[in-house]
Amino acid sequence: DGGITQSPKYLFRKEGQNVTLSCEQNLNHDAMYWYRQDPGQGLRLIYYSQIVNDFQKGDIAEGYSVSREKKESFPLTVTSAQKNPTAFYLCASSILGIGGYTFGSGTRLTVV
Amino acid sequence: AQTVTQSQPEMSVQEAETVTLSCTYDTSESDYYLFWYKQPPSRQMILVIRQEAYKQQNATENRFSVNFQKAAKSFSLKISDSQLGDAAMYFCAYRRGQETSGSRLTFGEGTQLTVNP
Repeated sequence: DGGITQSPKYLFRKEGQNVTLSCEQNLNHDAMYWYRQDPGQGLRLIYYSQIVNDFQKGDIAEGYSVSREKKESFPLTVTSAQKNPTAFYLCASSILGIGGYTFGSGTRLTVV
Repeated sequence: AQTVTQSQPEMSVQEAETVTLSCTYDTSESDYYLFWYKQPPSRQMILVIRQEAYKQQNATENRFSVNFQKAAKSFSLKISDSQLGDAAMYFCAYRRGQETSGSRLTFGEGTQLTVNP
């Protein structure tokens, strides 16, 4: 079945360490996105990519980095520069121009 | 910049009753899409319904329907015959019709819906 896989589901890291969240899709979607969700808040866009080897900053890109070397993959690195990294992270993909998003099941990152 | 506002942080409804969730948005665009997403306790985001701005007819999906008022920039979701499984956080979202924005979705803050048995 086609879908988006995010791994791991839960991730714990020590403060000051970089951590990479995985996002893989087999839907042949062109565009991929990373959102952050905090309690009581909506989803805020971190980065997005429309084509391989190209990506754009969203509203809260500081302290994060991404790559898009393959159409299927869009990993997100949370760097030590991100001041409040503990959050729920959602990856999504879409066909350009139509429709809504297909979401992954999310990764809960806790930094201690 | 486009903004989406959900003014009801929490709503509750009795099982089998009808509830309406409110959403307003701000845009200067004429071509756009609106969506309602459901996020149950599993936190999986599920598309409930979508509306194209150029369509005058309100979208419906089984027990879910919208009231799209383009001039008022309002996009409410009506859930009929509410079921216990409808309990979730509901997000309203906006997307421009043009591709220059990268098809990014802008979300409201969400409305937590409780269904009472």
